[in-house]
Amino acid sequence: KAGVTQTPRYLIKTRGQQVTLSCSPISGHRSVSWYQQTPGQGLQFLFEYFSETQRNKGNFPGRFSGRQFSNSRSEMNVSTLELGDSALYLCASRQGARYEQYFGPGTRLTVT
Amino acid sequence: SQQGEEDPQALSIQEGENATMNCSYKTSINNLQWYRQNSGRGLVHLILIRSNEREKHSGRLRVTLDTSKKSSSLLITASRAADTASYFCATDAFNTGNQFYFGTGTSLTVIP
Repeated sequence: KAGVTQTPRYLIKTRGQQVTLSCSPISGHRSVSWYQQTPGQGLQFLFEYFSETQRNKGNFPGRFSGRQFSNSRSEMNVSTLELGDSALYLCASRQGARYEQYFGPGTRLTVT
Repeated sequence: SQQGEEDPQALSIQEGENATMNCSYKTSINNLQWYRQNSGRGLVHLILIRSNEREKHSGRLRVTLDTSKKSSSLLITASRAADTASYFCATDAFNTGNQFYFGTGTSLTVIP
């Protein structure tokens, strides 16, 4: 099976712009989670989607949003970008709650 | 916060030696997973251990779980230079909707 894929891999945006990141889970996985990783804060949970419904949400401002499509693919959107949003954004998928979670390679977002 | 903490934060060993890193967490869990991350890349799933299990093996990896002490350890035997990476533990629990919480990571350097 193909692994979790994320596009784009690298992105440079200007403060105030918005960005959309995409994630395709492993075939058959209905749960997709998003994480932000920065040197200062480590790995922070953003949200999880299961069967197109947001199941969990981390402690991030409303500028961070996501959605999941019927084919389980997911997108994450960040509006009004700030310099502090520069990070590695990781997507992960799993079959369900009691299963292993597998990560994609990440999208490196740089906000200037 | 349910976030775990790995100990030590950094570890440097010679090739061929064993490496042990520990993870402590704060509340009752459902599962605990260990991941490896090479610099700036996605996380690679290593092992999942459930709360009713005490030990699991996978190749050169051995994971133990002590729920009474709320701690886990990852042992890498006969280390190789390719094991150089950061290692993270992640826990999830039913009472938090199986959301994953990651520890702060152990940076392992294996010297050839």
